[in-house]
Amino acid sequence: DADVTQTPRNRITKTGKRIMLECSQTKGHDRMYWYRQDPGLGLRLIYYSFDVKDINKGEISDGYSVSRQAQAKFSLSLESAIPNQTALYFCATSDPTGTSGPRDTQYFGPGTRLTVL
Amino acid sequence: AQSVAQPEDQVNVAEGNPLTVKCTYSVSGNPYLFWYVQYPNRGLQFLLKYITGDNLVKGSYGFEAEFNKSQTSFHLKKPSALVSDSALYFCAVRHGSGNTGKLIFGQGTTLQVKP
Repeated sequence: DADVTQTPRNRITKTGKRIMLECSQTKGHDRMYWYRQDPGLGLRLIYYSFDVKDINKGEISDGYSVSRQAQAKFSLSLESAIPNQTALYFCATSDPTGTSGPRDTQYFGPGTRLTVL
Repeated sequence: AQSVAQPEDQVNVAEGNPLTVKCTYSVSGNPYLFWYVQYPNRGLQFLLKYITGDNLVKGSYGFEAEFNKSQTSFHLKKPSALVSDSALYFCAVRHGSGNTGKLIFGQGTTLQVKP
């Protein structure tokens, strides 16, 4: 969905490096999410934000941090990357009111493929 | 605990034949259920959702899903498969009884449609 963009699309880094993944959206949604996808495990929620001042941990937040710089921007950071953080990372947005699409439907960015060596 | 299960890692079907991708769920309260599709090198795309009402939900690209409360299932179906339907499919349930908007995803099922 072009309304949700992620940068970079691919990143290779080394163990111990700090990495930031960025997400921007033009859908005007208050709610934003970060997931990681691993083969056979589906998508697992890392962090989510209901507005700029409301940040919440998901089921696998250890080793990650986030920043909601504005309604449209939600960044995910790996403070010290490790190999088992190699995965496909997705950002998503949703609208709980249903004003701009089916209520609670999440709209996903194209993903960032991160490899930690 | 709320959960979603997709019992098949892969489903193979011939083009033109009907397809079914299975999903079962465990949730407290009334479920909000979703199906998403992921094409190679793309993000997930919304296909359809069930909240209440008619147990047969129609969605994008000719897909539909049947909600069965007694069997706690929400199987994805299509009467006639296309090669272009080949993709990874995820079932999801909205988490919690409050309006959190969080989704719990199944592990995904790869659909392979052969000519």
